[in-house]
Amino acid sequence: AQKITQTQPGMFVQEKEAVTLDCTYDTSDPSYGLFWYKQPSSGEMIFLIYQGSYDQQNATEGRYSLNFQKARKSANLVISASQLGDSAMYFCAMREWQGNKLVFGAGTILRVKS
Amino acid sequence: DAGVIQSPRHEVTEMGQEVTLRCKPISGHNSLFWYRQTMMRGLELLIYFNNNVPIDDSGMPEDRFSAKMPNASFSTLKIQPSEPRDSAVYFCASSLRGQGLPDAQYFGPGTRLLVL
Repeated sequence: AQKITQTQPGMFVQEKEAVTLDCTYDTSDPSYGLFWYKQPSSGEMIFLIYQGSYDQQNATEGRYSLNFQKARKSANLVISASQLGDSAMYFCAMREWQGNKLVFGAGTILRVKS
Repeated sequence: DAGVIQSPRHEVTEMGQEVTLRCKPISGHNSLFWYRQTMMRGLELLIYFNNNVPIDDSGMPEDRFSAKMPNASFSTLKIQPSEPRDSAVYFCASSLRGQGLPDAQYFGPGTRLLVL
């Protein structure tokens, strides 16, 4: 069974600083994908970044990067130069390659302070 | 390009009534997912379709819930009869499943359902 763990219920970060949101996962499938989503207070779920289990390099999308440590089964999201608009709930999710189900972690609430 | 479209955005109904939620996936996507989000249980996958065929409905809470996808551009999630514990935000998402693709799931804005 697959499992996603986000150990930080909430985080504060000062505007313009970088922040790391933790995510660990557990799977016996050698092929899988890891995803991060952002859910602002308005409620929509916004896809941010993807990392495949066989990708050699860490994924990056603008100010978002994924610190993928396969041996440790961690896929932390790094947000550089935080902005007030980054305040939201962030979900880590995983999909095993043989299936099509996306399993989500409990989420981390991020608050950016000015 | 239009994203995933859901209707209605908000629904308030009385216990026992039938509720139908609607979803139009992103054009060209071949997988469609229905999720439910509550404070207590977080995001739960209810059912998903590949090429309009239901693949896994193990997340559907009980027989009161049913989902259909009559064609590639439309899906419904029906609750009959509705109960107060069904109150939640229901998301529809779609993705393009294919060889070598990251197949991220793109979510609609959600339907906020309140059953009184």
